[in-house]
Amino acid sequence: EVQLVQSGAEVKKPGESLKISCKGSGYSFTSYWIGWVRQMPGKGLEWMGIIYPGDSDTRYSPSFQGQVTISADKSISTAYLQWSSLKASDTAMYYCARQDTGSGSYNYWGQGTLVTVSS
Amino acid sequence: DIQMTQSPSSLSASVGDRVTITCQASQDISNYLNWYQQKPGKAPKLLIYDASNLETGVPSRFSGSGSGTDFTFTISSLQPEDIATYYCQQYDNLPLMYTFGQGTKLEIK
Repeated sequence: EVQLVQSGAEVKKPGESLKISCKGSGYSFTSYWIGWVRQMPGKGLEWMGIIYPGDSDTRYSPSFQGQVTISADKSISTAYLQWSSLKASDTAMYYCARQDTGSGSYNYWGQGTLVTVSS
Repeated sequence: DIQMTQSPSSLSASVGDRVTITCQASQDISNYLNWYQQKPGKAPKLLIYDASNLETGVPSRFSGSGSGTDFTFTISSLQPEDIATYYCQQYDNLPLMYTFGQGTKLEIK
């Protein structure tokens, strides 16, 4: 069974750093793109970026380029999303999702990680 | 960048009604269009991929159509469990980019 399990909720202060994770299981982790999607409170879905764990090829939405870093450790089948200096506006639910082969659709999703940034 | 315009932003319908949501792309995206359902507090769920293909396990009352710039998502007979927010999503390979529509919140009348 394909599963994406994300790390737990985080409460951070502005200026702090953070790295959240997404662990894949039940499939060949290195063979599928993993994307990250932001959902701010009460708002819609925003595509942030994507990584191919097989060779760490990474692409970012222009809106998020330079604001976050996406990485992966294929030895432990885990993708990451990190911030070097959080802002209050980073408060949101973050989802990872696996892209289907041959299609740009995300057919498997993690449960989401809620990040709260508040002083 | 390709922009997606989804409408309506909210919709109220009765059980058994036919419900239609549209998504318009700012340029030709062929059939690179997917539809998702998101229930409160849950992750999105893929319903339709490549404009008209039903994802495995999704009830047949859900369907999608369109190509180029204009796309339609239809629920043939609304059920109480269909209350959710629906999103379209386009993807482009060159460069690799994905864009979600603004979402349609569907409520029971």
